[in-house]
Amino acid sequence: NAGVTQTPKFQVLKTGQSMTLQCAQDMNHNSMYWYRQDPGMGLRLIYYSASEGTTDKGEVPNGYNVSRLNKREFSLRLESAAPSQTSVYFCASTRGTGRNTEAFFGQGTRLTVV
Amino acid sequence: GQQLNQSPQSMFIQEGEDVSMNCTSSSIFNTWLWYKQDPGEGPVLLIALYKAGELTSNGRLTAQFGITRKDSFLNISASIPSDVGIYFCAGQLHNQGGKLIFGQGTELSVKP
Repeated sequence: NAGVTQTPKFQVLKTGQSMTLQCAQDMNHNSMYWYRQDPGMGLRLIYYSASEGTTDKGEVPNGYNVSRLNKREFSLRLESAAPSQTSVYFCASTRGTGRNTEAFFGQGTRLTVV
Repeated sequence: GQQLNQSPQSMFIQEGEDVSMNCTSSSIFNTWLWYKQDPGEGPVLLIALYKAGELTSNGRLTAQFGITRKDSFLNISASIPSDVGIYFCAGQLHNQGGKLIFGQGTELSVKP
């Protein structure tokens, strides 16, 4: 089982460029999440999708958009990248709520905006 | 608000010592989870807690879901060098359908 797959693993962008981070899970999970990780800040929730067809803002949604393309895929888009968006981005998925909350993570995307 | 406050931020201990870290919040949680992250990797689940008061062990690790549902702790007994890493608490908020948030992390260093 591949689990949660994120692409790309590394990316360098110039300020103002746009890009989409891709995430796919093969565990038939209902919920998917995008987090960013910065030193000393832990993992901060950008957006999440509790189920196919729904998306909700997390703690730090500004500057990002998401698309839950289908049950498997949840993409994160930066329309106009800024240096403050330099971070490591993690996608995660869970089966749902309650005893199904255990999140499985991708390997991360290291993004640098110059 | 909905923040998880995790402490301590970092710990430097000797091999063989016990370790304790905790998370608190002003919000109520339905689920508490503890994760470990190794360098360059995504977090990996260590322990999951689903009920207030629940105490669960996984080898040398023990975690508890606080009675108030607003806190949790993780203990590691007899630490070894491979315990080095960043430990995160995470919780699923009550009545916020699936929203899973994380603490700031505790960076653990173990001196052989």
